[in-house]
Amino acid sequence: DTAVSQTPKYLVTQMGNDKSIKCEQNLGHDTMYWYKQDSKKFLKIMFSYNNKELIINETVPNRFSPKSPDKAHLNLHINSLELGDSAVYFCASSGNGPSQRTGELFFGEGSRLTVL
Amino acid sequence: GQNIDQPTEMTATEGAIVQINCTYQTSGFNGLFWYQQHAGEAPTFLSYNVLDGLEEKGRFSSFLSRSKGYSYLLLKELQMKDSASYLCAGMDSNYQLIWGAGTKLIIKP
Repeated sequence: DTAVSQTPKYLVTQMGNDKSIKCEQNLGHDTMYWYKQDSKKFLKIMFSYNNKELIINETVPNRFSPKSPDKAHLNLHINSLELGDSAVYFCASSGNGPSQRTGELFFGEGSRLTVL
Repeated sequence: GQNIDQPTEMTATEGAIVQINCTYQTSGFNGLFWYQQHAGEAPTFLSYNVLDGLEEKGRFSSFLSRSKGYSYLLLKELQMKDSASYLCAGMDSNYQLIWGAGTKLIIKP
C-alpha cells in the first residue's frame, strides 16, 4: 500500500482555470503538508495541518485553499491558475508520537502542474 | 534570516567517496536532515542529526557540528543509482524544516 498518495500525478491546464490536487496518507500521522517545488528545485512549504487544523500558512496567494476533511486527507484547490503556478506540488505527512522521529517527512510522488 | 547553503552540483566516480557539505542558519535548532531525491521522484529520508558527531548508516554517513552550523553527507562505494539530488534541511525552534536547494550528484563510470 502506498503510504502517501496524491492525484493526479500530471495536470496540464489553461490559465484562469480552477484545479484540485488530492492527498491521502495511511500512516496514521497527525500532520500533513503541501510543498511546492519549482524549477530551481527549492522545496517551499505552503501549508501544514495538524489533526485537521491549519498550523502553517506561508505567504501563499489566497487563490490556494487547502481543505482537510479528516486527518488522513489534505486537498489543495487552486483558483484562477497563473503561469507561475507551474511546479511540482508534493504532499507529505509526519508523525509526532514518541516512536516517530519529529520532522521525518514521508512524501507523496508529487503532482506536476503545467499551466499554459 | 534562515538559510541553508549547499553546492549546486557535484560529480564523482563510481566506487569512490563523495562528501556533500551543508551550512545552516536557523532560528533555534532541532536537528539537521538529509533527503535523497531522484529525478522526477519524491524526496526520501536519509538521515537525522541533532547531536554533534558522525552517524553511520551503511554506505551513507552524516556529520553535524552545531557550533559551526555545518553538516556533511558522506557517500562511500558510490553506485550509479546514487545519482540524485541530496537535500539538506534544518529544523528550527518551531519544528519547521528549512530546505536547501539540493546538490545534484552525478556519478560517472
